[in-house]
Amino acid sequence: QSVLTQPPSVSAAPGQKVTISCSGSRSNIGLNPVSWYQQFPGTAPKLLTYDNDKRPSGIPDRFSGSKSGTSATLGITGLQTGDEADYYCGAWETSVSLYVFGTGTKVTVL
Amino acid sequence: EVQLVESGGGLVQPGGSLKLSCAASGFNFTKYPMTWVRQAPGKAPEWVSGITASGASTFYTDSVKGRFTVSRDNSKNRVSLQMNSLRAEDTAIYYCAKDYRRAVTDLGGFDSWGQGTLVTVSS
Repeated sequence: QSVLTQPPSVSAAPGQKVTISCSGSRSNIGLNPVSWYQQFPGTAPKLLTYDNDKRPSGIPDRFSGSKSGTSATLGITGLQTGDEADYYCGAWETSVSLYVFGTGTKVTVL
Repeated sequence: EVQLVESGGGLVQPGGSLKLSCAASGFNFTKYPMTWVRQAPGKAPEWVSGITASGASTFYTDSVKGRFTVSRDNSKNRVSLQMNSLRAEDTAIYYCAKDYRRAVTDLGGFDSWGQGTLVTVSS
């Protein structure tokens, strides 16, 4: 019942750039900061960006987050085979006081 | 180094109960909200429940309200999830996670995660 919509998949060649969109509404992305998570099979999600556009220490600057209105975007530049993973956005849903994750996007490196 | 270690998962029959625990270390536990997230095989993560740093406020996703209870013991650096009236659709890996900010009214996002504990609800 996610209210944050992402494309199911994106792909690009090594070295290229991909962008992943996350579409929400005023009550979630419109009012609250967005985080992005990376997840490899069999492991826990990992925080990639927070507060819309900040990176935790240790996250390469190839990963960038942005937000505009009720949508957010994750960009990955200089794509590497090691970036093949599932990516999820997340934000607080103010209207019902709960946290929501996006539907998820699988990144494939061609 | 932040460490979160979940325990308490297992196989339980529909209608049964389980209590998950998460032992935290490596940070000032009393300052941060904590959260439980679950993930069924092949599905996106689903946020389940959260609790503010003091424990004064708790939050739940609709599907677990009235069945699950989150709590924390700040003297023991531990957060727990009591799960009652379990259903097949509660089957998932359950992760404990730490919020990255010290908000008191909501959750921001999760910068540290445990390894997860598997809960299987089946007869």
